[in-house]
Amino acid sequence: QTVVTQEPSLTVSPGGTVTLTCASSTGAVTSDYYPNWFQQKPGQAPRSLIYSTNNRHSWTPARFSGSLLGGKAALTLSGARPEDEADYYCLLYYGSTQHWVFGGGTKLTVL
Amino acid sequence: QVQLQESGPGLVKPSQTLSLTCTVSGVSISGGDYYWSWIRQPAGKGLEWIGQIYTSGSTNYNPSLKSRVTMSVDASKNQLSLKLSSVTAADTAVYYCASPEGYWGQGTLVTVSS
Repeated sequence: QTVVTQEPSLTVSPGGTVTLTCASSTGAVTSDYYPNWFQQKPGQAPRSLIYSTNNRHSWTPARFSGSLLGGKAALTLSGARPEDEADYYCLLYYGSTQHWVFGGGTKLTVL
Repeated sequence: QVQLQESGPGLVKPSQTLSLTCTVSGVSISGGDYYWSWIRQPAGKGLEWIGQIYTSGSTNYNPSLKSRVTMSVDASKNQLSLKLSSVTAADTAVYYCASPEGYWGQGTLVTVSS
């Protein structure tokens, strides 16, 4: 069974920078996993932030960026704001079996 | 403006089939062979990918749910549908549909209980 692992929780100071990561139990994450990142605030539906590793949607603030880092997918938030406090989920694609798997999520606190 | 709206019974009995519809507005489902997704989230827990359907009808399902899931597209109504059979309490969750452009519905809560 494929497992996607994220940090359970992270804290960042307002104006600071934080990187969330997303690892696969199958090995290094590459662009072939088409990493996606989602933000979810309490009581709301998730919102897509990043697709295919590093592509922002039109609504994604520029302070969010996606990349590959040390064999993992990464979401970097530069210049954190209080409104960025939320749960963040990554999503990876496994082409050999044509299915996607979500990570367990990272609870980001801006404090 | 693309909008997705999930709908269906909020309460389903154990062993029965859960049936949900996702109505899409602002874009035509048949506008290209893209995939539309279903995702669920139990209360207080993380997201689980259920599966995806291309407008051509091709599907990919979560291996853990594959034997119980059926997805379909009704292009004439601009709707997607999800059926999950033999439900148990473990299937209680908020169910979301999502578009290829990254839009999500607001979700609908389905409770499995007798």
